[in-house]
Amino acid sequence: GENVEQHPSTLSVQEGDSAVIKCTYSDSASNYFPWYKQELGKGPQLIIDIRSNVGEKKDQRIAVTLNKTAKHFSLHITETQPEDSAVYFCAASSVMDTGRRALTFGSGTRLQVQP
Amino acid sequence: DTGVSQNPRHKITKRGQNVTFRCDPISEHNRLYWYRQTLGQGPEFLTYFQNEAQLEKSRLLSDRFSAERPKGSFSTLEIQRTEQGDSAMYLCASSWAGNYEQYFGPGTRLTVT
Repeated sequence: GENVEQHPSTLSVQEGDSAVIKCTYSDSASNYFPWYKQELGKGPQLIIDIRSNVGEKKDQRIAVTLNKTAKHFSLHITETQPEDSAVYFCAASSVMDTGRRALTFGSGTRLQVQP
Repeated sequence: DTGVSQNPRHKITKRGQNVTFRCDPISEHNRLYWYRQTLGQGPEFLTYFQNEAQLEKSRLLSDRFSAERPKGSFSTLEIQRTEQGDSAMYLCASSWAGNYEQYFGPGTRLTVT
C-alpha cells in the first residue's frame, strides 16, 4: 500500500518568514495530493491540493509543488502569520487492493509562528 | 453551506460498552468517508460510502465496527464492545463522486475508560 512520509514533525518560524513542509510518497499510481490544516479540537481543513498533471499551484500565500519523478511534494507558506500556527497534514490519493482510491495521510507537521 | 457535522463531539464510555456516532455530510455530496485519528498521527481511512453503498473497508475496520448509510444521507459508525485501544478521534468527510476534494467534519473524540 501507499506510504506517505512527512517532515519536519515540528517547525518554528518568525512571523513574516516562509515555512516549507515536505512529503514523499511510495505509490507511483497516486494522482492527487491535498494538504490539510488542523487546529486544536477541529477537523482537518483542506487548504490546497494538486493533481499529478500539474507541477505547481499557488493560492495567495500558500503554494504546493509536485515532483512526480522523485515522488515528493511540498507546501510553501510565505509571509507567515500567527494564525498560520496549526498542524499541517499532507496526503496522497492511492489505489487500494480493490482498485478504488483512498487518502493516505502523513504524520503531520506542527507549525508554530512566533510573533 | 453548513459543512459536515458530527455528533456527539465527545463520548466517554466504559470498556465493553457499545457506542454510536453520527455524521451528516454536506447536503449535495454523495460520498461519505470515516477516518480514525490517534494523538499525534494523521487520519487513517476506515471506510467509505457512495450513496447508500459501502464500497470500501480498511483492514483497520475490525468486526466490532459497523457503519451504515441507510438512505444515502447521514451515516452512523457503531463500535461494539469498546476497548481502550479504540480511544481516538473519529472523523467523517464527504465529497462528490466525481471530485477528489474531501471535506472533514469536526470529529467525535472517543475516550474508553
